Amino acid sequence: AQKVTQAQTEISVVEKEDVTLDCVYETRDTTYYLFWYKQPPSGELVFLIRRNSFDEQNEISGRYSWNFQKSTSSFNFTITASQVVDSAVYFCALSEPYSGGGADGLTFGKGTHLIIQP
Amino acid sequence: DAMVIQNPRYQVTQFGKPVTLSCSQTLNHNVMYWYQQKSSQAPKLLFHYYDKDFNNEADTPDNFQSRRPNTSFCFLDIRSPGLGDAAMYLCATSRDRSGSKTYNEQFFGPGTRLTVL
Repeated sequence: AQKVTQAQTEISVVEKEDVTLDCVYETRDTTYYLFWYKQPPSGELVFLIRRNSFDEQNEISGRYSWNFQKSTSSFNFTITASQVVDSAVYFCALSEPYSGGGADGLTFGKGTHLIIQP
Repeated sequence: DAMVIQNPRYQVTQFGKPVTLSCSQTLNHNVMYWYQQKSSQAPKLLFHYYDKDFNNEADTPDNFQSRRPNTSFCFLDIRSPGLGDAAMYLCATSRDRSGSKTYNEQFFGPGTRLTVL
């Protein structure tokens, strides 16, 4: 069974600080997909990144960066020089290839509520 | 713009009164999903349609049903809503199921927030 753990329920930092959101996953599949989503107060899920299990390259997009480490089953997300607009709930999620009998959806972690104070 | 549309955005129903939530998509995607997200919790997959093939999650209560009359529309029916069914309901679509070499991204709608009085 697949599982995603986000141990940090809430993080509060002051604007311009760097912040890292942790994500640890469990899966029996050798091929899987990892995601980060942002959910602002409006409720809509905003896609941030997808990482395939067969591609361990880390990625940087502006102030956002992601560190994928298969050895520790982690997919951490760092925001550099945080801004108030980054305040939201962030979800890490996992998906496995459809196998004919199992689920074909995303398994989400419980989310980390990030508060950026001005 | 192609998108996933959910109506209404806010729905209020009474305890035990059937309610239907609607999702439509202009992406012509084969797969449509319904997720339930209770307050301060993660979204949880209820079921999905692959074309007309309905796939229920094992722990989805019987109180929840779904219909997909055509490619564009998918409905979530809650036959007898209880107070515990108050949540945000998210619809998502993807072009196809994900395989071992390719992933088909899920596109989420804005959600319908259901209140049960």
